[in-house]
Amino acid sequence: DAKTTQPTSMDCAEGRAANLPCNHSTISGNEYVYWYRQIHSQGPQYIIHGLKNNETNEMASLIITEDRKSSTLILPHATLRDTAVYYCIVRPRGNEKLTFGTGTRLTIIP
Amino acid sequence: SQTIHQWPATLVQPVGSPLSLECTVEGTSNPNLYWYRQAAGRGLQLLFYSVGIGQISSEVPQNLSASRPQDRQFILSSKKLLLSDSGFYLCAWSLEYGYTFGSGTRLTVV
Repeated sequence: DAKTTQPTSMDCAEGRAANLPCNHSTISGNEYVYWYRQIHSQGPQYIIHGLKNNETNEMASLIITEDRKSSTLILPHATLRDTAVYYCIVRPRGNEKLTFGTGTRLTIIP
Repeated sequence: SQTIHQWPATLVQPVGSPLSLECTVEGTSNPNLYWYRQAAGRGLQLLFYSVGIGQISSEVPQNLSASRPQDRQFILSSKKLLLSDSGFYLCAWSLEYGYTFGSGTRLTVV
């Protein structure tokens, strides 16, 4: 699987948009970008995924650069409950194994 | 709808004792199943995955084993626990594009 690089930690004010970057410069053509988050002492939760087009769902938006070497997860109006570790993962769709890195610890500040 | 059950939520076991953690899935057939471990302050490590009954792949050499006696049942075991087996154990199953994780078992070996 392609390696990803994320900042170790970020802060965001409550009510503002949280933008979490991820670099995946070695991503290959059949690899998707997935985002998960893990709230303390819980299992990871799926957020969103994409291949090359931008995606949006009820939780977040995913912006993937045209060269696919980086992406940004956007939480449009962050709440205190969004405090968690966010993982960016790339893998082929047919590959069943999900390999987690160290992620970004996002703290929402009241 | 699909659900995943994992128990117990917490467990304290002495060194050298056996271990059995169970995970069951409802609402789907022939899921891919996974066991992950998260040591304190560390990332998620894939331990085992299974694509069908009796089919187990081990990702890392360790003191643990896994079995899948039924389609929707995945068991993590050890004959003799070590202190280093302490951690947060998560079961997961995969959809076409994402994983669903159980609520986890926090194991403390004393």
